[in-house]
Amino acid sequence: GENVEQHPSTLSVQEGDSAVIKCTYSDSASNYFPWYKQELGKGPQLIIDIRSNVGEKKDQRIAVTLNKTAKHFSLHITETQPEDSAVYFCAADTGGFKTIFGAGTRLFVKA
Amino acid sequence: NAGVMQNPRHLVRRRGQEARLRCSPMKGHSHVYWYRQLPEEGLKFMVYLQKENIIDESGMPKERFSAEFPKEGPSILRIQQVVRGDSAAYFCASSLETGGDQPQHFGDGTRLSIL
Repeated sequence: GENVEQHPSTLSVQEGDSAVIKCTYSDSASNYFPWYKQELGKGPQLIIDIRSNVGEKKDQRIAVTLNKTAKHFSLHITETQPEDSAVYFCAADTGGFKTIFGAGTRLFVKA
Repeated sequence: NAGVMQNPRHLVRRRGQEARLRCSPMKGHSHVYWYRQLPEEGLKFMVYLQKENIIDESGMPKERFSAEFPKEGPSILRIQQVVRGDSAAYFCASSLETGGDQPQHFGDGTRLSIL
């Protein structure tokens, strides 16, 4: 079955710097990769996603890249702000119904 | 345009009691997923349901746990004879369809505490 690994588990950056979170997946059949942000006491919220026929997608300060050959994908947050502090989860979907989540990255943005 | 609604937000039970967690999916969504999250950990898949059908329950413990999604009303995750190890946050998600490129939308979870 699919396995998703996420690194780092904790990331601390200075406000205004960039943050990068990396994930790898094992099942080459995976074709959809969503990213979720979870704030304290809340459920995960979808922030960006990418499909396997695209190598990069950007939405304002957030971008995601996908390398299907290497089976890894990354989340890039530029010009970080304190409100970006949260836990971020990557996920992989093989086109079935079971989305497999990474273990999460706790991002701290220091003002 | 309400999102996924879960209730209660917090539930306290004593060992041996039953816990019932409810989830109303987004309007128009017929696919429901339940996940469990322990503190400082990721989301673990439990069960996937469509209306009146359990599609995959491979993540559910074999005993004490059950789920349903009736034709009318919310999806229910039921835990019988709760134990301390059941303490966790339980999240429900729904999607319009299943398969690639259909995002799951999450509720804010039910935090279950067992005394």
